[in-house]
This record gives sequence, C-alpha cells and structure tokens, in this order.
Amino acid sequence: AQSVTQLGSHVSVSEGALVLLRCNYSSSVPPYLFWYVQYPNQGLQLLLKYTTGATLVKGINGFEAEFKKSETSFHLTKPSAHMSDAAEYFCAVTRNTGFQKLVFGTGTRLLVSP
Amino acid sequence: DTAVSQTPKYLVTQMGNDKSIKCEQNLGHDTMYWYKQDSKKFLKIMFSYNNKELIINETVPNRFSPKSPDKAHLNLHINSLELGDSAVYFCASSQDYRGQGLFFGEGSRLTVL
Repeated sequence: AQSVTQLGSHVSVSEGALVLLRCNYSSSVPPYLFWYVQYPNQGLQLLLKYTTGATLVKGINGFEAEFKKSETSFHLTKPSAHMSDAAEYFCAVTRNTGFQKLVFGTGTRLLVSP
Repeated sequence: DTAVSQTPKYLVTQMGNDKSIKCEQNLGHDTMYWYKQDSKKFLKIMFSYNNKELIINETVPNRFSPKSPDKAHLNLHINSLELGDSAVYFCASSQDYRGQGLFFGEGSRLTVL
C-alpha cells in the first residue's frame, strides 16, 4: 500500500521568498509521485509528476520537485513566491503498475504575504 | 470548453433523500474517477471506471452507486443521504488506468441537513 505524509498543514512565506513544501511517501513498489494545486472553490490542477527518468522534474508556474529514493521524499520548491501561489498543495503517490489509484496527502496551505 | 464538467456544483438536501451528480469529460480519456474531499480537505478515492468497467471500488457504503453509460460519462447516485455524506465530490479522468495525471472537475459541494 502507498501513503503520503505532508509535513506542515500551513506554510507561510513572504513574496519573493523560497517556497519549500515537504512530502514523504511510503510505497512497497516503485512509485509515481505527483503534486497538485487547489485554488479556493476549484478542482485540483496537476503541477508536476515523476514517473521515471530524471529525478528533478519541472512543472508549471515555476515549481519543481526532486524525487529522492534514499529519503523517500518528493519536496516541492519554487525559488521566488508570488502572491498568486497562495493555495492548497497536495502531494500524491501511486504504484507504477496495474490499476492505479492516487493516494493523497492531507495537503499544505501556502500563505504568501506581501 | 470545460474538460471535466460536473453538475450540479452545489447541492443542499435533507437527510434521507436521494441525489445524483453527473460528470462528463471531453478529453477522450478511458478512465474516470470519483473522489470525496471532506471538511478537512482530505481526498479519498471512491470509484474508478475504465472504459465503462468498474476497476476500483473502495470501502464505500452501498448507498453510493456509480454508473458509467459510456466512457465519457460517470455519474454518482447516493441513496438515503446522511449528515456524514456532506463533502465536496470530485470527478476526474485520466488517459488510461495508469492514472498518470488526473484532470479534475470543479467539484460538487453536497450539504446534507
């Protein structure tokens, strides 16, 4: 079975500061990993994903994440926060074979102050 | 031109009633899903259909019955609604059952009084 732990239900940064949202996963088989963003009263939008290949993946809106198997981590970063980045961020994991179902973390709310 | 559309967006109803939520995707995807997001924002899969065939059925009360008339549509019917059913229900689709990158609808907020 797969699971995801997102450390910190809330993260606050100043505009222009580094954004770091933490995600650790547990999986008995090689995982596929995802980050999604949810703006208020909207559905989830895929930011980026890791399936195979390069462990540093780049996504939309300047976000990137690095798959670190030794640390079972997939942290999300952005060099410079923008006010429009304020949203809820979800890390998710699935296995890489068979019928897949995404298992989500509990989410991290990113707050960006001027 | 919405990729995954759900109706209605809001539902307010009394306990014991029956309600349905409809979902349609125009992406040509083979696989569709229903997820439930509770008041703490926790997202959990309920069902998944691949080419109209049920492939994932989590531990969901049998008051919840999904139906997929074709691969572009996945509806959710809920019988005998309970207070605990209040949540946001999200429909999603992916190209195939490998689920690499789900496209979500905007959600249907169900409130049971």
